[in-house]
Amino acid sequence: GQNIDQPTEMTATEGAIVQINCTYQTSGFNGLFWYQQHAGEAPTFLSYNVLDGLEEKGRFSSFLSRSKGYSYLLLKELQMKDSASYLCAVRGFYNQGGKLIFGQGTELSVKP
Amino acid sequence: DAGITQSPRHKVTETGTPVTLRCHQTENHRYMYWYRQDPGHGLRLIHYSYGVKDTDKGEVSDGYSVSRSKTEDFLLTLESATSSQTSVYFCAISESMEPGYNEQFFGPGTRLTVL
Repeated sequence: GQNIDQPTEMTATEGAIVQINCTYQTSGFNGLFWYQQHAGEAPTFLSYNVLDGLEEKGRFSSFLSRSKGYSYLLLKELQMKDSASYLCAVRGFYNQGGKLIFGQGTELSVKP
Repeated sequence: DAGITQSPRHKVTETGTPVTLRCHQTENHRYMYWYRQDPGHGLRLIHYSYGVKDTDKGEVSDGYSVSRSKTEDFLLTLESATSSQTSVYFCAISESMEPGYNEQFFGPGTRLTVL
């Protein structure tokens, strides 16, 4: 079966660092995406990992371990505007349609 | 920002009525998707299209049909709306499904309420 797990909610303080974990069990793997979604808005792309290791993009980094079925999104120097839902999504094999399977999202609240 | 619009943005309808939601893109992307988003379930794929007149089912396709007669338009129809179809519906597009960076871009969403 297909299963993607993320914590439902997290709280962190402005200026701090927060790590949002994602574990997955899928029948195929062809990349992992992280999206950010502010309340009432569309998801927007943050990062993509297909090989093991860390991808860094400014204040945001994403890590992948394919053997462990595990990823995390690291947000540094938190700002109030980072309060949002963070969605982890796994893409299946191309010959399976290459569709994205989403986790239910992690609601991050950044407090002053 | 990718050029994706959805219409209507908000709709209230009654149980048993047909409803059609429209997604329009100006990016000439081959792939288009319809998702629904509900609390506790995240985004779930309803149907997707891999070209004009080429569509396939997603994980929650019962009660929904789709059509794509032009590259730029992807329609989602609720044949007979039920209260369980109250949700926020997102359209998405992508250039490819092949391995690589091909992320999906999302439209602004349609909030549908079925009374």
